[in-house]
Amino acid sequence: GDSVTQMEGPVTLSEEAFLTINCTYTATGYPSLFWYVQYPGEGLQLLLKATKADDKGSNKGFEATYRKETTSFHLEKGSVQVSDSAVYFCALSDILTGGGNKLTFGTGTQLKVEL
Amino acid sequence: DSGVTQTPKHLITATGQRVTLRCSPRSGDLSVYWYQQSLDQGLQFLIQYYNGEERAKGNILERFSAQQFPDLHSELNLSSLELGDSALYFCASSVQELNTEAFFGQGTRLTVV
Repeated sequence: GDSVTQMEGPVTLSEEAFLTINCTYTATGYPSLFWYVQYPGEGLQLLLKATKADDKGSNKGFEATYRKETTSFHLEKGSVQVSDSAVYFCALSDILTGGGNKLTFGTGTQLKVEL
Repeated sequence: DSGVTQTPKHLITATGQRVTLRCSPRSGDLSVYWYQQSLDQGLQFLIQYYNGEERAKGNILERFSAQQFPDLHSELNLSSLELGDSALYFCASSVQELNTEAFFGQGTRLTVV
């Protein structure tokens, strides 16, 4: 079945540092890919998405490119802020064999940004 | 605010009991999903409804059931509760049925004692 693998956390960075969170996926079809962010005590918020190969999703300074050849969707940000501290989830959306749709999530990567 | 509303926010109940979690999707969204988030299992897909009909089932126990009503709100019923059912339960909604992003509610934290 479909699966998503994310780099283990926690990741601790200084403010203004460069961020990369690795994400690779396994899927039989042509999934859409997403990054969600979860702040403490809150639900998941959609951060960015890409629906086909070579698409780049971007939002709030975060970027990720859908790489079909390496089955990857790594999240990057050039300069992180303390307010970016959260758990980041990579996910894919694929159509199920029997019909319907689901999001498959990675295990999440906790990011802590310090002054 | 995602526009997805879940109630209650917190629920504490005893083993063997039954509870109902409620979800109101974003205005205009026809698809509703339920997910369970726990420390050991991560985010697990439970079930999807689209316009009142069940569309996909994931790792949902037989003790759990769900439905989507004509006004598109959804309820997740959990019965014969066990300690291991303690988790955060999220509802999400989307406009389309297939291959689209979903918007999540704030979740219901269920504690079984």
